[in-house]
Amino acid sequence: GAVVSQHPSRVICKSGTSVKIECRSLDFQATTMFWYRQFPKQSLMLMATSNEGSKATYEQGVEKDKFLINHASLTLSTLTVTSAHPEDSSFYICSASITERAFFGQGTRLTVV
Amino acid sequence: AQSVTQLGSHVSVSEGALVLLRCNYSSSVPPYLFWYVQYPNQGLQLLLKYTSAATLVKGINDFEAEFKKSETSFHLTKPSAHMSDAAEYFCAVSEQGAQKLVFGQGTRLTINP
Repeated sequence: GAVVSQHPSRVICKSGTSVKIECRSLDFQATTMFWYRQFPKQSLMLMATSNEGSKATYEQGVEKDKFLINHASLTLSTLTVTSAHPEDSSFYICSASITERAFFGQGTRLTVV
Repeated sequence: AQSVTQLGSHVSVSEGALVLLRCNYSSSVPPYLFWYVQYPNQGLQLLLKYTSAATLVKGINDFEAEFKKSETSFHLTKPSAHMSDAAEYFCAVSEQGAQKLVFGQGTRLTINP
């Protein structure tokens, strides 16, 4: 089946720094990818839709200047958390869809200290 | 707008017993419905999906779910629980195949020996 790879799986950063998370579709092209955030013991909330070659579409309440999304190619989308703060600590998961099925990355556990 | 409600944030069953995880949805158009499983610190794995074909959907690991339009439900069942089934389960709905997903709150399944 299709594979979505997310990197890194775990990152710890200092408050005020930026962190980049990569999401790659390994064996298929994805014109659209999705970024979700999951707080501890909570469900996944869609943050934004990443569109290849154009600007991302952000969900209400998500700061686009804080969560920068770049989808430069058909197999790679990146999420950069800028000026991270402890409240940004969360589990971030990307997904890409093909033939009515969504494939999820392994997730990235971000801890801001 | 779409929404998903999972009844019971925590379900506990004995090994070998029936598993029933409840999911009710709201959608203004015929929905696509999904069940995903998440193991600790991992991404999501698709168990099964409903895409307007047969109302009884069979998935992996002997899980199945039945789409009941009159009840707006998509409950997940498994005849005999196994210890390896212990995980977090998410029901999700989409209006666009497996594109933008709206997730339920999740149900943590615990299996007692």
